[in-house]
Amino acid sequence: NAGVTQTPKFQVLKTGQSMTLQCAQDMNHEYMSWYRQDPGMGLRLIHYSVGAGITDQGEVPNGYNVSRSTTEDFPLRLLSAAPSQTSVYFCASRSRAGLSTDTQYFGPGTRLTVL
Amino acid sequence: GQNIDQPTEMTATEGAIVQINCTYQTSGFNGLFWYQQHAGEAPTFLSYNVLDGLEEKGRFSSFLSRSKGYSYLLLKELQMKDSASYLCAVRPQTGANNLFFGTGTRLTVIP
Repeated sequence: NAGVTQTPKFQVLKTGQSMTLQCAQDMNHEYMSWYRQDPGMGLRLIHYSVGAGITDQGEVPNGYNVSRSTTEDFPLRLLSAAPSQTSVYFCASRSRAGLSTDTQYFGPGTRLTVL
Repeated sequence: GQNIDQPTEMTATEGAIVQINCTYQTSGFNGLFWYQQHAGEAPTFLSYNVLDGLEEKGRFSSFLSRSKGYSYLLLKELQMKDSASYLCAVRPQTGANNLFFGTGTRLTVIP
């Protein structure tokens, strides 16, 4: 199993450009989430999904959109990139049907720089 | 709101024991997680506590006191490869079982 995969690994954008960060998991997990990690801020939740067709906002959703058309994929869209969105982005997934001890599995991350 | 505090940095000697503390104030509580994150890599799961007490897993142990909003991660027989950031995260009762993270403790193990 590949687990949680993310593409691209690195990306540089200019202010105002749009792009989509891809996330896929092959573990048939219901829950998927997007976090951003900034120095001194820890991981912060952007958006999450409890299953195909269902998404909701996390702590820092502004400037980002998500959709969940399949169980496997959970792309994150930046509509108009801003320098404040320079960060490392992690996608994570977890099984809802599992035990409460089940943890989230993180993808390898996408390092985004907005100039 | 959610507030999770842990020290920013710690240094310890190879072979020694180190304790990393985490205090939390959250709107609900449905478990506390510890993750390890090496520089440039994704967080990986270390431990989970939902009841008071100590959970031991090899060289790593984690303790929880729900009444005090307090947890610690204990690392024994430190190795150089333990140099990493250690993230404390709480899962509140509300929401879709997502996690709220502290800022992480950067541990440096020296010879």
